[in-house]
Amino acid sequence: DAGITQSPRHKVTETGTPVTLRCHQTENHRYMYWYRQDPGHGLRLIHYSYGVKDTDKGEVSDGYSVSRSKTEDFLLTLESATSSQTSVYFCAISETSGQETQYFGPGTRLLVL
Amino acid sequence: GESVGLHLPTLSVQEGDNSIINCAYSNSASDYFIWYKQESGKGPQFIIDIRSNMDKRQGQRVTVLLNKTVKHLSLQIAATQPGDSAVYFCAEPQGAQKLVFGQGTRLTINP
Repeated sequence: DAGITQSPRHKVTETGTPVTLRCHQTENHRYMYWYRQDPGHGLRLIHYSYGVKDTDKGEVSDGYSVSRSKTEDFLLTLESATSSQTSVYFCAISETSGQETQYFGPGTRLLVL
Repeated sequence: GESVGLHLPTLSVQEGDNSIINCAYSNSASDYFIWYKQESGKGPQFIIDIRSNMDKRQGQRVTVLLNKTVKHLSLQIAATQPGDSAVYFCAEPQGAQKLVFGQGTRLTINP
């Protein structure tokens, strides 16, 4: 998985609780991405980062926030989890441009009850 | 909506046969395409890419063909093996900072 780890790998939480997912890379790549993957929707971009403290929204950013305080870590926070946020979340990285190949982490399976 | 799409959601082939997975795109200015493989319970894995100045690119048992005239690309897998069972996605850049992914084709291998 190209030096990308995600934690936790599985999480069950209750509606209304905050949740933070972590993506860690050892490749020193500039770009990092958070996607969610749901049946019938494929991969949808939540947020991405193009450098430390530089982030932008993707197509499904409502209810999510991100932070990137150092190159290797990109955090995704669900401020108040809802059942519609039950999904599999993937982190991805690319080296120098958003138009390059992205390499994906193993995913985090989140269940919101 | 997504500019990258797939002709078939599922494909079933006999072990040892060749597989062909298709993808259509709508942006004629797209200059880079990527194929990913996603096995059950895992993240998408890069397979092969191709730039628009090429019509064909070969990897290990895989070939990607690009037809810019009809805005179509395909992934050919030679001598399909059980380990090739997965969902295959094509992707292309959207703007300067993102990729857009197709829905995927599920490839199943019959023994």
